[in-house]
Amino acid sequence: GAGVSQSPSNKVTEKGKDVELRCDPISGHTALYWYRQSLGQGLEFLIYFQGNSAPDKSGLPSDRFSAERTGGSVSTLTIQRTQQEDSAVYLCASSLQGAQTQYFGPGTRLLVL
Amino acid sequence: EDKVVQSPLSLVVHEGDTVTLNCSYEVTNFRSLLWYKQEKKAPTFLFMLTSSGIEKKSGRLSSILDKKELFSILNITATQTGDSAVYLCAVGAGSYQLTFGKGTKLSVIP
Repeated sequence: GAGVSQSPSNKVTEKGKDVELRCDPISGHTALYWYRQSLGQGLEFLIYFQGNSAPDKSGLPSDRFSAERTGGSVSTLTIQRTQQEDSAVYLCASSLQGAQTQYFGPGTRLLVL
Repeated sequence: EDKVVQSPLSLVVHEGDTVTLNCSYEVTNFRSLLWYKQEKKAPTFLFMLTSSGIEKKSGRLSSILDKKELFSILNITATQTGDSAVYLCAVGAGSYQLTFGKGTKLSVIP
């Protein structure tokens, strides 16, 4: 079946603009995760959704970052008033409920000028 | 705070060589250790290990976990240029969290 998909693949924006990144998880996966990977760094956890439960937002770096998941499927990560330090690859992953193995999408490379 | 440390950070080998990548960890409520291969952007799943001493194998890749000494190794034999990638180690603790290491960048030259 289809894997995790993300769009856009690449996004270039100007400092101060808002951006929206989209993630479509594997069908049937109820858990969805967002990570950020800066150059030369490991994956940094941002947010976790599980079914209809309240999301774990503990990894969001500032209140400029928010995410939602509609209908238990597609998720959107929004970054408001982007800063140059937001430049990174944003990765989405999904998994079955309770499973440790997460499957990743191809990511969105964000560049803030 | 959970911690995952990978070594070396980077490695250059010739085709046909065997390599060993290391991952050590300090986490509470350990559940599993996972290895991923990252080419370009998307990490792809390789192995999940939960029990000590049981080797997981897939073709030329194999991995083993030592829960007493808190580390895992990933071996790649007869390396090929297609093995060039960043190899990520992640440790699962608690109900869903994965903590990732910074990765080992492997370059295989012809």
